[in-house]
Amino acid sequence: EAGVAQSPRYKIIEKRQSVAFWCNPISGHATLYWYQQILGQGPKLLIQFQNNGVVDDSQLPKDRFSAERLKGVDSTLKIQPAKLEDSAVYLCASSLDLSQPQHFGDGTRLSIL
Amino acid sequence: QKEVEQNSGPLSVPEGAIASLNCTYSDRGSQSFFWYRQYSGKSPELIMSIYSNGDKEDGRFTAQLNKASQYVSLLIRDSQPSDSATYLCAPSAGRASKIIFGSGTRLSIRP
Repeated sequence: EAGVAQSPRYKIIEKRQSVAFWCNPISGHATLYWYQQILGQGPKLLIQFQNNGVVDDSQLPKDRFSAERLKGVDSTLKIQPAKLEDSAVYLCASSLDLSQPQHFGDGTRLSIL
Repeated sequence: QKEVEQNSGPLSVPEGAIASLNCTYSDRGSQSFFWYRQYSGKSPELIMSIYSNGDKEDGRFTAQLNKASQYVSLLIRDSQPSDSATYLCAPSAGRASKIIFGSGTRLSIRP
């Protein structure tokens, strides 16, 4: 079974630039998550999709972050404009259904200069 | 009070001994409990899930849940150097509820 695919693995940008991350979940997984993980902390949920609908985006900084999951499969997360504090690893995860165990992709390490 | 509390460590355990990792949570409605292992520079991987009070064993791992005390633990028997990682506790209040991750306990197995 193919795992969760994410790209790119690494990204370096300057503050105020924009960046986008892509995620393809495990086939058949209805629920998709985007997390932000800052060094030394646990993953923080940014947004959770069930198929192509948003279940929870309460911790998504909507003035600069946006995410979509068209057709209920793959998803993109965008940051525009980036701030220094956005430097983190962005993890995508998927699960069969809500509150089921999640499977994580390898993540995208974002550095803001 | 944090929603999920874990001792950040590092917890240093000699090889071959039992490592005990603890987690408390604030949401009494939590129904599902997951333990994830995260190696440095890697993404979290699920190692145990537990849904009812008591113990659940899987190989060298045992998860223990006490909902009345809002406490869940992970025991690792015969600790190996490959067990050195950060262990994340993640309870969920059930369907349509998000999984909340603790900050993790860093475990170091010393030879």
